Amino acid sequence: GAVVSQHPSWVICKSGTSVKIECRSLDFQATTMFWYRQFPKQSLMLMATSNEGSKATYEQGVEKDKFLINHASLTLSTLTVTSAHPEDSSFYICSASRQAGETQYFGPGTRLLVL
Amino acid sequence: GQSLEQPSEVTAVEGAIVQINCTYQTSGFYGLSWYQQHDGGAPTFLSYNALDGLEETGRFSSFLSRSDSYGYLLLQELQMKDSASYFCAVSQVDSSYKLIFGSGTRLLVRP
Repeated sequence: GAVVSQHPSWVICKSGTSVKIECRSLDFQATTMFWYRQFPKQSLMLMATSNEGSKATYEQGVEKDKFLINHASLTLSTLTVTSAHPEDSSFYICSASRQAGETQYFGPGTRLLVL
Repeated sequence: GQSLEQPSEVTAVEGAIVQINCTYQTSGFYGLSWYQQHDGGAPTFLSYNALDGLEETGRFSSFLSRSDSYGYLLLQELQMKDSASYFCAVSQVDSSYKLIFGSGTRLLVRP
């Protein structure tokens, strides 16, 4: 199989705080992980591409200082939403692939609600 | 830039066949993927085409024509559980082969 997990599945936080979301590939090593954001009834928007051991590549319009991504190992990538605000409330989903160009497998997602 | 177009909604009857089309414009096209997403859930991989032609996986098939920048997902013997959103996504040839998703097609299967 190709299982990707995310933690936490739900998080509620106060405005101004930081939230860390973990993405793990459980049964394979992922050279590349991706982070997406999805608002209700909308499509998935790619936020950034994370390669193990190197800096993440952010999509246009995504603030890299606000959305910190770390890919410290071949099985773990983290997304930290810094100084969260209500407009950051969304469904954050990661995906992982064994090699660039191979199928992306998605995690179950993390719902963030910023009050 | 890149763009993908797919119908916003499709309704079909249980047991029927439905085709969801996807047209795309992108540079560095590598392949076309299809994902299913139920409400509240994460996308699950359905099918992938890198070359022209039809790929069959059980009740689901996917087709690609690179010359027409067009693909479709075919769902046969529809079941109620197939009610979900279906996304086409193109992967581009760059260092990461990132996926760019279409806006999604909401499929409603009626009894």
